[in-house]
Amino acid sequence: GAGVSQSPSNKVTEKGKDVELRCDPISGHTALYWYRQSLGQGLEFLIYFQGNSAPDKSGLPSDRFSAERTGGSVSTLTIQRTQQEDSAVYLCASSLEGWGQFFGPGTRLTVL
Amino acid sequence: AQRVTQPEKLLSVFKGAPVELKCNYSYSGSPELFWYVQYSRQRLQLLLRHISRESIKGFTADLNKGETSFHLKKPFAQEEDSAMYYCALKYSGGGADGLTFGKGTHLIIQP
Repeated sequence: GAGVSQSPSNKVTEKGKDVELRCDPISGHTALYWYRQSLGQGLEFLIYFQGNSAPDKSGLPSDRFSAERTGGSVSTLTIQRTQQEDSAVYLCASSLEGWGQFFGPGTRLTVL
Repeated sequence: AQRVTQPEKLLSVFKGAPVELKCNYSYSGSPELFWYVQYSRQRLQLLLRHISRESIKGFTADLNKGETSFHLKKPFAQEEDSAMYYCALKYSGGGADGLTFGKGTHLIIQP
């Protein structure tokens, strides 16, 4: 497909478990962004990748959150020891140098 | 640090009435503002950007640097305008496309 894809679309997990969320950006897009979307908090920036490096990790809420990007393409957001407050929709977006961000459909994470 | 404020979490208007979604920003650099929209069960998508000076789906937004605002307006609301709207500000440090988003306004158009 031509757009940003994310998997899984829904994830239900138990408190304390680790989860991995995947983002496949648009082919050729060098920049990749992760956001968290929750009621009342809007769209919170988490981390930004340029290529495989992350110049801005300032939005990661705690050290339980980490992300990596390999081959300048796929990115994985990992949340360790999940907590109920981690429940949200996690959005990924990619862009190509000034052409604006294109968003994926999101992964809805529910922590029981 | 940059900031985007959308003071209304929820805005409900009747079909055919004018709509104004408020957005204020603070940024030390030269601002570039955007509006994004998310319809129910769809992904977030760009609605318009101030540098384009365009009207999309009847919506317009004017950057007012004096008031540091970028309010989104439409003269006659339609039911299909019901959605979540986010104002966003481009900032340096996030690459060529780094954005800071407001918390969003849920627009409901009543029939």
